[in-house]
Amino acid sequence: DQQVKQNSPSLSVQEGRISILNCDYTNSMFDYFLWYKKYPAEGPTFLISISSIKDKNEDGRFTVFLNKSAKHLSLHIVPSQPGDSAVYFCAATHPNQGGKLIFGQGTELSVKP
Amino acid sequence: KAGVTQTPRYLIKTRGQQVTLSCSPISGHRSVSWYQQTPGQGLQFLFEYFSETQRNKGNFPGRFSGRQFSNSRSEMNVSTLELGDSALYLCASSSSGGINTGELFFGEGSRLTVL
Repeated sequence: DQQVKQNSPSLSVQEGRISILNCDYTNSMFDYFLWYKKYPAEGPTFLISISSIKDKNEDGRFTVFLNKSAKHLSLHIVPSQPGDSAVYFCAATHPNQGGKLIFGQGTELSVKP
Repeated sequence: KAGVTQTPRYLIKTRGQQVTLSCSPISGHRSVSWYQQTPGQGLQFLFEYFSETQRNKGNFPGRFSGRQFSNSRSEMNVSTLELGDSALYLCASSSSGGINTGELFFGEGSRLTVL
C-alpha cells in the first residue's frame, strides 16, 4: 500500500519557468511533510518541509503547499534553473516516528536551458 | 564536519550469499536509519537505531537485520541474498531522530548488485 504517491515520474520545464511537483498521501495521521532532492550517485538532501498545521512554507525559490482536505502537497520552484535538475522525493511522517519517513517514488525534474 | 559515510560504495554478490553494509553517522548523531531504494519504489524504510536500540522497523523480511554500536556506527546485514535485493541502500543520521527540522542527513549509499 503506497501511502505517499508521486504520480508523475518525470517533468520537463524550461529555465526561468515554474516547476510544480505534486504529491498525494493517504494516511491522515501524517503530520509532517518533507521534500528531498537527489542527484545521481549522491544521497538525498533535505530541501524544505511543512507541518500539518500550516498550508504554506516558503524558502527562497522553493515553496511547499499543503492541502490537508485533499491530502495533497506540491512543491513550486520559481524560477527554475538547470541546476535544479534532479529527482525530487516527497516524504511524510507520523508523530513520534523518529527517523522513519514514508517516501514517494520520486519525480525526475529536467530544467532545460 | 564530516558527513555520513557508507562503505562499501559498490558491491556485487551472488544469490544465497550474505552482505554487511556499514554506516558512520555524523559525529554526535545518535540516530541511524536505513532505507532501500529500487527503481520505481522510491525509498523504503528498513529500520532505525537510536542509542544501540532498534526504535522503528519497516516491512522487510527477517533476512534484513541491523545493529548499532556504542559509537553510533551502524551495520545492516542481508542474509540469503535474492535477485530482488539489488538496490541502493541509504543510511541517514540525525541528532535525535526528530523530523521536525528535516534533520535527516543521508550518505551516498551502498549499491548492491545480486547476480
